[in-house]
Amino acid sequence: SQQGEEDPQALSIQEGENATMNCSYKTSINNLQWYRQNSGRGLVHLILIRSNEREKHSGRLRVTLDTSKKSSSLLITASRAADTASYFCATDENNAGNMLTFGGGTRLMVKP
Amino acid sequence: NAGVMQNPRHLVRRRGQEARLRCSPMKGHSHVYWYRQLPEEGLKFMVYLQKENIIDESGMPKERFSAEFPKEGPSILRIQQVVRGDSAAYFCASSSTGQTEAFFGQGTRLTVV
Repeated sequence: SQQGEEDPQALSIQEGENATMNCSYKTSINNLQWYRQNSGRGLVHLILIRSNEREKHSGRLRVTLDTSKKSSSLLITASRAADTASYFCATDENNAGNMLTFGGGTRLMVKP
Repeated sequence: NAGVMQNPRHLVRRRGQEARLRCSPMKGHSHVYWYRQLPEEGLKFMVYLQKENIIDESGMPKERFSAEFPKEGPSILRIQQVVRGDSAAYFCASSSTGQTEAFFGQGTRLTVV
């Protein structure tokens, strides 16, 4: 599989529920980032977590990083219909800085 | 401080024509990155430029594609003799250094007919 693979590929939940998306990668990284993309739009940066961090919070977002398993998760709590979007993780494999490697994304649908 | 500006937002080209995509980085940013996104896929890195220099073009096809970031003016991604497979969204990102956070533009959606 590719660097920065997300699962599930698609997720459908009801408003108010929590959404968890996972990302796996293969090589060493300095940091991992999560982005959101609304249909047909640009990317919005959500959160960056460094390799020496295990957990980070931003509003309703919680990101964890397990470097031993080379995996990360993004949790969106109390989801809203406006959270409907595609979510991508991106890594700077092998210290590549901003030459990011993106996964295929998780398409999240939050039903009102 | 305007964000990363890309234009045009939508571009339609016939097969064989040339496509020119422009990216103006955020003020104070001298590092520019181009990515391509095929439908239903993630972004793929193409090229990394710093003013007047190509730092890394490992993700860019060897033929028909070129990029520049002149001393003055926007960065340009140029696709010659476009084919249907070039239809995609092309995103530009910029950063102040090679290691600080990169900000993305809204993208240019290229359709080859």
